[in-house]
Amino acid sequence: ETGVTQSPTHLIKTRGQQVTLRCSSQSGHNTVSWYQQALGQGPQFIFQYYREEENGRGNFPPRFSGLQFPNYSSELNVNALELDDSALYLCASSLDRLNTGELFFGEGSRLTVL
Amino acid sequence: AQRVTQPEKLLSVFKGAPVELKCNYSYSGSPELFWYVQYSRQRLQLLLRHISRESIKGFTADLNKGETSFHLKKPFAQEEDSAMYYCALISVTGNQFYFGTGTSLTVIP
Repeated sequence: ETGVTQSPTHLIKTRGQQVTLRCSSQSGHNTVSWYQQALGQGPQFIFQYYREEENGRGNFPPRFSGLQFPNYSSELNVNALELDDSALYLCASSLDRLNTGELFFGEGSRLTVL
Repeated sequence: AQRVTQPEKLLSVFKGAPVELKCNYSYSGSPELFWYVQYSRQRLQLLLRHISRESIKGFTADLNKGETSFHLKKPFAQEEDSAMYYCALISVTGNQFYFGTGTSLTVIP
């Protein structure tokens, strides 16, 4: 059983650029959630995808968008990067969209915006 | 508004001493609460959930609705308990977690 994998692990961008982060969910999981974790803060919910459809969104602007593919892997896209987007982006998969169970996290993608 | 507050950013205890990590929440209705842990160089993982009423690695957490708290406790701290601990609340819609800011626990040998 493979765990949640994320790529890239680290990346540096400049303001105004666009970034795509990728996530492969744990085997058998059909739900992927994305969280942003700023330095010294807890993870903050961006959005969740269940069977390729967005299933809830946190308080993030539309320039944060996502996709989920038929194999349940997922992408997070951020356009027009701002300095405050610098953070660790965590992907988490789960067996069901209700999240009554457990979130399985990846190791994260650390984004630095200069 | 749904919110989780962890008042202590850092907590140090000696090995063998009791430890309590505080968590308070704001929620309308019956909350579902969790503790997640991140050990050094490992990913964030579930420690325990209140609905299971279980003890994991010697840790327990009791939901106190009157005080809106879900403190994590262990009677005798071990060095391997040193980690970052996050209290989390599941949303009414059931599709997102609200995490606290975390408490970094250091167990001194």
